[in-house]
Amino acid sequence: GESVGLHLPTLSVQEGDNSIINCAYSNSASDYFIWYKQESGKGPQFIIDIRSNMDKRQGQRVTVLLNKTVKHLSLQIAATQPGDSAVYFCAELDWDYKLSFGAGTTVTVRA
Amino acid sequence: ETGVTQTPRHLVMGMTNKKSLKCEQHLGHNAMYWYKQSAKKPLELMFVYNFKEQTENNSVPSRFSPECPNSSHLFLHLHTLQPEDSALYLCASRSDRAATNYGYTFGSGTRLTVV
Repeated sequence: GESVGLHLPTLSVQEGDNSIINCAYSNSASDYFIWYKQESGKGPQFIIDIRSNMDKRQGQRVTVLLNKTVKHLSLQIAATQPGDSAVYFCAELDWDYKLSFGAGTTVTVRA
Repeated sequence: ETGVTQTPRHLVMGMTNKKSLKCEQHLGHNAMYWYKQSAKKPLELMFVYNFKEQTENNSVPSRFSPECPNSSHLFLHLHTLQPEDSALYLCASRSDRAATNYGYTFGSGTRLTVV
């Protein structure tokens, strides 16, 4: 079936380094993608989104890259901080505005 | 606080109990959702309500019964649950008028444990 998934379940990164979290999707008709951050005891929080007519979008310390050729998107976090420790999900919005989520990558920041 | 409030935050219930989860938003959103989040699995969509009408039941067992009395409140009624139903239940609401994220706002969830 078609789904959104992440490459790695965990990522350990040194404080101050850049983090890269990857996500693969299989629905080539997907038009809109979102990255969410979920901290312990909280629900998913919006980080950044990107439409299929773009290949890059930047926010504050975060960048999302979309490669439609290989159906891959990534989230880059610059100068990772302890507060970035969380589970990160990519999600795909379907035609009926429902979100489908990947399994998540747990990011742990080492001091 | 995100504007979507879920109660209780934690719930432990026996398999023969009946309990209800509550979700409340006063963001003026017109769509509300229940998601189930189990360990090491993606969030699973359970139910969708648009303008108080249920528009999606994602093959959820009948032991889960949603209710949406108005556009600000959403309930999930639980009865005769199984231990595998233990999970974090997340509520979300959405606005058609949002510029980004298509207006999705999630609550903090109810951590349910079935014993």
